[in-house]
Amino acid sequence: EPEVTQTPSHQVTQMGQEVILRCVPISNHLYFYWYRQILGQKVEFLVSFYNNEISEKSEIFDDQFSVERPDGSNFTLKIRSTKLEDSAMYFCASSGFPPANYEQYFGPGTRLTVT
Amino acid sequence: AQSVTQLGSHVSVSEGALVLLRCNYSSSVPPYLFWYVQYPNQGLQLLLKYTTGATLVKGINGFEAEFKKSETSFHLTKPSAHMSDAAEYFCAVSITGGGNKLTFGTGTQLKVEL
Repeated sequence: EPEVTQTPSHQVTQMGQEVILRCVPISNHLYFYWYRQILGQKVEFLVSFYNNEISEKSEIFDDQFSVERPDGSNFTLKIRSTKLEDSAMYFCASSGFPPANYEQYFGPGTRLTVT
Repeated sequence: AQSVTQLGSHVSVSEGALVLLRCNYSSSVPPYLFWYVQYPNQGLQLLLKYTTGATLVKGINGFEAEFKKSETSFHLTKPSAHMSDAAEYFCAVSITGGGNKLTFGTGTQLKVEL
């Protein structure tokens, strides 16, 4: 069964450093998403991406964040200068078209720890 | 804007007992509703979804949920709990034409006891 994969599973970084979280969505999907879950809190939407551009983003997704689909398979989330409060589990998801009718499939997550 | 409220952050049931996890939503337009399950150290797995049509939807692992527009609810049930059902359950909503983002509830941790 096709699945979304994410690397690394755990990333530790120092405050102020740049991190790139990587995702490989399901191959025939067209919509891609990033969510995050701070420990003990609910899953929060960060950004959605379609046709090589951001389709929607949340207030959390400020100028420190960026997304990219550098090739036909990867989808990345970059945090330019990490803060302590960026420590969270980051989930990538993908869905087919039309996305409102197709469920989002989630990856296993990357746990980001900022020290 | 849409929102989801899950009543009860922790629910405990005996093995074989009915499971009922509550979810209420708020949306100004017809919603799409989802239940996801998260096992420890794993990602989110879709249990079931409601988009249009039949209001009683069946999902994996014997779970089902009923969309009740008048009550703005989408409660998750399972007739007989199994030990393997112990996990965290998230209700989520998206709206038509809303960019497809999922808005999640705070989650309910289900504990199943012998």
